[in-house]
Amino acid sequence: AQSVTQPDARVTVSEGASLQLRCKYSSSVTPYLFWYVQYPRQGLQLLLKYYSGDPVVQGVNGFEAEFSKSNSSFHLRKASVHWSDSAVYFCAVSINTDKVVFGTGTRLQVSP
Amino acid sequence: DAGVTQTPRHEVAEKGQTIILKCEPVSGHNDLFWYRQTKIQGLELLSYFRSKSLMEDGGAFKDRFKAEMLNSSFSTLKIQPTEPKDSAVYLCASSFTGSTGQLYFGEGSKLTVL
Repeated sequence: AQSVTQPDARVTVSEGASLQLRCKYSSSVTPYLFWYVQYPRQGLQLLLKYYSGDPVVQGVNGFEAEFSKSNSSFHLRKASVHWSDSAVYFCAVSINTDKVVFGTGTRLQVSP
Repeated sequence: DAGVTQTPRHEVAEKGQTIILKCEPVSGHNDLFWYRQTKIQGLELLSYFRSKSLMEDGGAFKDRFKAEMLNSSFSTLKIQPTEPKDSAVYLCASSFTGSTGQLYFGEGSKLTVL
């Protein structure tokens, strides 16, 4: 069965600094990989997804993620964070077009 | 376009009560998911429907949790009887079949069981 590990429960960065949120996946086959974001009192929204092709995939609001098969990772990055990026970020995996398995999330706090 | 609608947004129940949470998926979506969200466990899949057929019923959640999809535009999640450990946010999501994991989530129903 597929699984996702997000090793950092909380990350704090200063506004304008760069960001990397870590995600490791486990799957017997190449999965679909996703990053979702959850703003306070809202549901989750898709940031980006990857299945094949260029290992660096672009998402909304300046986010990108890089797939590494050798490291079984799909880390999320942003060059310069804004206070409005404060939210909980979820990495997720799916090995078919059925259910999606989510990590436990990383809470991002952007300090002024 | 209407997104996923969940009601109620907040529910407070006494231990042992029955509660019903409701979800209206995005029009035209034929996959529907119920997740439970807690700080410790993150998102746990409770139930998954495809074209109104139950595809997965969440294993460990079977005994007191029952999800139904009465028609393509309405689903319920019944918890009976409730226990304090059921306190969580319950999220409903929908998608097109074959959309490769692009889920559309509702804002959730926050359940507190006293």
